[in-house]
Amino acid sequence: EPEVTQTPSHQVTQMGQEVILRCVPISNHLYFYWYRQILGQKVEFLVSFYNNEISEKSEIFDDRFSVERPDGSNFTLKIRSTKLEDSAMYFCASSGLWERGLGYTFGSGTRLTVV
Amino acid sequence: DQQVKQNSPSLSVQEGRISILNCDYTNSMFDYFLWYKKYPAEGPTFLISISSIKDKNEDGRFTVFLNKSAKHLSLHIVPSQPGDSAVYFCAASEGQGGSEKLVFGKGTKLTVNP
Repeated sequence: EPEVTQTPSHQVTQMGQEVILRCVPISNHLYFYWYRQILGQKVEFLVSFYNNEISEKSEIFDDRFSVERPDGSNFTLKIRSTKLEDSAMYFCASSGLWERGLGYTFGSGTRLTVV
Repeated sequence: DQQVKQNSPSLSVQEGRISILNCDYTNSMFDYFLWYKKYPAEGPTFLISISSIKDKNEDGRFTVFLNKSAKHLSLHIVPSQPGDSAVYFCAASEGQGGSEKLVFGKGTKLTVNP
């Protein structure tokens, strides 16, 4: 069964540093997403991406955050000037064109720890 | 601002019995509701969904009921199995074309005891 692959599984970074979280979505999917879950809290939407541009972003997705699809297969989330409160599990997801109600496919996540 | 609420953080049931997980929402513009299951160290896995124009959707042991007037939905698992033990998230979407933002509840941890 096709899956969304995320690397690394765990990333530790010092406050103020930049991190890049990587994702390989399912190959024929066209919509890409990043969500995050702070420990013990709900899963929160960060950003959606389609046709090489951001479709929608949340308040969490401030100007320290950026996404790109550099080579047609990878989908990355970059966080600059990391803060302690960025510590969370980050999930990448993808979906096909007309699959509303069929749900996304999520990756297993990257646990980001900012120290 | 919790648009999707799961008021029970945990639920424990016996194997073979029914599990009922509940979810309330506040946004009348949501047009799809989804349930995801999550095991530790894994991403959420899609389970079942329902369109706002329906009141019931069934898939094997899983049935989702939607009461639009009460802004309430529930997931029924019958019969419950130990492998169903996981965190269940209710999510809702207000779609724009093919891209949909999901709003999640906080989850309910289901434990099915053998």
